[in-house]
Amino acid sequence: GDSVTQMEGPVTLSEEAFLTINCTYTATGYPSLFWYVQYPGEGLQLLLKATKADDKGSNKGFEATYRKETTSFHLEKGSVQVSDSAVYFCALTHYGGSQGNLIFGKGTKLSVKP
Amino acid sequence: GAVVSQHPSWVICKSGTSVKIECRSLDFQATTMFWYRQFPKQSLMLMATSNEGSKATYEQGVEKDKFLINHASLTLSTLTVTSAHPEDSSFYICSAGGGASYEQYFGPGTRLTVT
Repeated sequence: GDSVTQMEGPVTLSEEAFLTINCTYTATGYPSLFWYVQYPGEGLQLLLKATKADDKGSNKGFEATYRKETTSFHLEKGSVQVSDSAVYFCALTHYGGSQGNLIFGKGTKLSVKP
Repeated sequence: GAVVSQHPSWVICKSGTSVKIECRSLDFQATTMFWYRQFPKQSLMLMATSNEGSKATYEQGVEKDKFLINHASLTLSTLTVTSAHPEDSSFYICSAGGGASYEQYFGPGTRLTVT
């Protein structure tokens, strides 16, 4: 069945450091890919998405490119801030939006130190 | 953006009792609601999908008689854990879909501890 694999956390970075959180997937066909972020005490929020190969999703300085050849959707940010501290989830679905069944990775906790 | 609330945010109950968790979409009509369960350091696992006015569709391995889901209106779904046991202790998260963007919007989760 479909699955998502994320790098194990926690990840601890200093402010203004470069961030990469790896995400790879196993799925039939052409799923849509998502990154969700969960800030402490809050629900998951959609950070960015890509619905077809070579699409780049971007939001709040974060980017991820849908790589069909490597089945990857790595999350990157050039300069992290303390406010980026959160848990990040990679997910996929076979629906164009995310109203279908979302399959999540285990989440990666990011802590950014001032 | 769309807001989904859950109540309670945490609950402790004794083994054998039942617990009800509410999920509300505050500013949009949710035609579909999803219930997830999350164990520590694990991913969210979909338990069931419910559409307003119809029976929920449960994922394989989820006991529908134990986890009762009701989606009686376009803004409210409830999950009732019946005859709870310590192994039911977990973090339960709901999400709601149906807004104009066709996205799922997540509630903040409910921490259930069964003693």
